[in-house]
Amino acid sequence: AQRVTQPEKLLSVFKGAPVELKCNYSYSGSPELFWYVQYSRQRLQLLLRHISRESIKGFTADLNKGETSFHLKKPFAQEEDSAMYYCALSGPGSARQLTFGSGTQLTVLP
Amino acid sequence: KAGVTQTPRYLIKTRGQQVTLSCSPISGHRSVSWYQQTPGQGLQFLFEYFSETQRNKGNFPGRFSGRQFSNSRSEMNVSTLELGDSALYLCASSLGPTQIGNTIYFGEGSWLTVV
Repeated sequence: AQRVTQPEKLLSVFKGAPVELKCNYSYSGSPELFWYVQYSRQRLQLLLRHISRESIKGFTADLNKGETSFHLKKPFAQEEDSAMYYCALSGPGSARQLTFGSGTQLTVLP
Repeated sequence: KAGVTQTPRYLIKTRGQQVTLSCSPISGHRSVSWYQQTPGQGLQFLFEYFSETQRNKGNFPGRFSGRQFSNSRSEMNVSTLELGDSALYLCASSLGPTQIGNTIYFGEGSWLTVV
């Protein structure tokens, strides 16, 4: 069964500090991994996906198949990064079904 | 272009009643999926529709059902409501069922409270 684990429910960092949100997954095959973000009072939106290998709002995430991880990183956190972050997985044959982690609430302190 | 629209945004129902939630996908999107979000269970997949056909279903009882119309709009229905059905129900749309390259866009959700 596919599973996504985000070990940290809450994470606080100071503005300008590096931030890393952890995500581990279990899936027998080649999944597609995503990070979704939900800012206060806004809808859930895609932040980035592993196949794009792009940087969005300064965030990057590398898929490590050996460690089955997809950690989200940003070298210098900004206050506007404060939000709820969800790691999600989609596998072949499951079409648009996403399996989400429990989420990490990131707070960037001034 | 308008985003995914869900109605109603908030509703309160009594145990035993049924409820119907509606979702209008982004124009041109033909795939619609539904998720339940609760503090205890997080975000859980309910079902997905494409071309009026249910393609995938999550691990929910038969009280949860849905359908999709020819214009891609979708409804989900929960019958015989229980207190544990209180949740935020999210609808999401995408161009189609193939996963690579298709972004999934979420609506703001329908807040259901069962009393």
